[in-house]
Amino acid sequence: DIVMTQSPLSLSVTPGQPASISCKSSQSLQHSDGKAYLYWYLQKPGQPPQLLIYEVSNRFSGVPDRFSGSGSGTDFTLKISRVEAEDVGVYYCMQSIQPPLFTFGPGTKVDIK
Amino acid sequence: EVRLLESGGALVQPGGSLRLSCAASGFTFTNYAMNWVRQAPGKGLEWVSGIGGSGGYTYYPDSVKGRFTISRDNSKDTLFLQMNNLRVDDTAVYYCARDSSWGAPFDSWGQGTLVSVSS
Repeated sequence: DIVMTQSPLSLSVTPGQPASISCKSSQSLQHSDGKAYLYWYLQKPGQPPQLLIYEVSNRFSGVPDRFSGSGSGTDFTLKISRVEAEDVGVYYCMQSIQPPLFTFGPGTKVDIK
Repeated sequence: EVRLLESGGALVQPGGSLRLSCAASGFTFTNYAMNWVRQAPGKGLEWVSGIGGSGGYTYYPDSVKGRFTISRDNSKDTLFLQMNNLRVDDTAVYYCARDSSWGAPFDSWGQGTLVSVSS
């Protein structure tokens, strides 16, 4: 089974400053179709998770362009160009290279300094 | 607007059973694969089951295989999760989540329902 890891597990950011979260998978998420099946979700306090990024770098509908995703193979990154107060919460990466088995990372908690 | 409303969560004893429901609205239910994802108190997310739009295929991780059964009633736009032989470590908020029309997992989520397994 694929294991997902994230770093850091906790991040405190000054508003307006950038933030970066790393996600690594124990196996390559690169499919033979050329896509990498890596997703990012944000769970704001007291809310269900919401989809932010699909297939590594595509922002989901309504997601601000300060969020960006990159990476390939086993190494992926979520970047927030300028953190805002509404961005606090726990960020999860998730793989689906082995559908229908989905595996989440442990989560990275982001708060505001 | 897509809406997913879970219900059925309760306090149950170890070894007991529970059936969760998820009422869907705002989209053509039968056209979408659906899932259950759970979150233990203070912990991360764990996918626990998935079902195709027609209900013709279902999937489970090893942690719940043989104990949980996902199903759907497309005439009532409702998703179900039958949970048997519940264990203390099944305690969690259970979310239903829809797959997008192009295959991205979990593009919409309900608010969740709490299942507590304790003696």
